[in-house]
Amino acid sequence: EEQVVESGGGLGKPGGSMRLSCAASGFIFSAYSMNWVRQAPGKGLEWVSSITTAGSYKYYGDSVRGRFTISRDNAKNSVFLQMNSLTAEDTAVYYCARDRGRYTAFVMDFDLWGRGTLVTVSS
Amino acid sequence: IQMTQSPSSVSAAVGDRVTITCQASQSISTWLAWYQQKPGKAPNLLIYAASSLQSGVPSRFSGSGSGTDFTLTISSLQREDFATYYCQQTDSFPLTFGGGTRVEFK
Repeated sequence: EEQVVESGGGLGKPGGSMRLSCAASGFIFSAYSMNWVRQAPGKGLEWVSSITTAGSYKYYGDSVRGRFTISRDNAKNSVFLQMNSLTAEDTAVYYCARDRGRYTAFVMDFDLWGRGTLVTVSS
Repeated sequence: IQMTQSPSSVSAAVGDRVTITCQASQSISTWLAWYQQKPGKAPNLLIYAASSLQSGVPSRFSGSGSGTDFTLTISSLQREDFATYYCQQTDSFPLTFGGGTRVEFK
């Protein structure tokens, strides 16, 4: 079964850091670009970041650029999101999502999602 | 690219035809996806490239449009379709979603 499972969420402090992980299984991880999407409580979806198959290209939303860093380890079938300088506005469920394109650059829509991990930023 | 969905909510009954619209702030050709999200669950891809049905999605879902104006249609609403629907432009980074349309039981 193809799946991605997020971890690393929890309570963080304003100005602090957290690192999210996403473990993939059931598919050839290195063939797909990967993404993070978040959803604040009671709000809509917000794209956060994307990374290409080999990690050569990375893209970020305006609200996180310069604070968040996406990375991946294809040997461990995992993608990560390092979050620094956290603010209350970063409070959200963070989803890991697979790009639908296989062995291609981004097609930019997402066909496999994890259940999400909740990040709460509060003092 | 700003994505504007309407309506923000719609009340419908089982068997109704439901139409949701999404407008892009600039032309995105057919680079548009639609997702369904149920409470407490992750989104699920329904439609990509404006009108292509994702594998496993029932044929009562259809998408149309190009340029700046797009439509998601549910031809005969089923009980399991009560959810929130989002459009997303897949034309260019930064990727953006519409604000969502909640389909509620009438």
